[in-house]
Amino acid sequence: ETGVTQSPTHLIKTRGQQVTLRCSSQSGHNTVSWYQQALGQGPQFIFQYYREEENGRGNFPPRFSGLQFPNYSSELNVNALELDDSALYLCASSLGGTGGLYEQYFGPGTRLTVT
Amino acid sequence: GEDVEQSLFLSVREGDSSVINCTYTDSSSTYLYWYKQEPGAGLQLLTYIFSNMDMKQDQRLTVLLNKKDKHLSLRIADTQTGDSAIYFCAGRNDYKLSFGAGTTVTVRA
Repeated sequence: ETGVTQSPTHLIKTRGQQVTLRCSSQSGHNTVSWYQQALGQGPQFIFQYYREEENGRGNFPPRFSGLQFPNYSSELNVNALELDDSALYLCASSLGGTGGLYEQYFGPGTRLTVT
Repeated sequence: GEDVEQSLFLSVREGDSSVINCTYTDSSSTYLYWYKQEPGAGLQLLTYIFSNMDMKQDQRLTVLLNKKDKHLSLRIADTQTGDSAIYFCAGRNDYKLSFGAGTTVTVRA
């Protein structure tokens, strides 16, 4: 069974640029959630995709957007990068939309630094 | 939304028990989770408890839930050096998890 993978591992961007982060979900999982973890903080929910549709969104501006593909892998796109976007971005996959135990399995994260 | 609070640091001697505490505000949380994060790594799901349970034991881990006080705790028996990490509690409401800021556990010899 393949776990959750993310790419790239690290990324350095300049303020104002755009970035795309990628996530491959665990085999058999159809739901992907994205979280932002600032240094010294707990993860903050960005949004979730279930069967290629956005299923819910946290308090993040529209310049944070995403996609889920038919194979359930996912992308997180951030436009007009700001210094405060520097964080560890975590992807989590799970089975099912809402209801049930809903165990989320996390990838290792992408460390984004905005200068 | 969910606010989750945790104590920030815990130092424990190897072989002793560790107890990590968490309080949450959203009483509609259906499941409560404990995750472990080691340096430079993602989050590892340790255990969970359903909101209608008081206690759950899983090998060295014991989770206690006081729903009236909205208090959750994780006890790690026989703490080992490999248990040094940041521990997060999280509450689930519908589709999203809300995390605390994490408790850094340091195990000393």
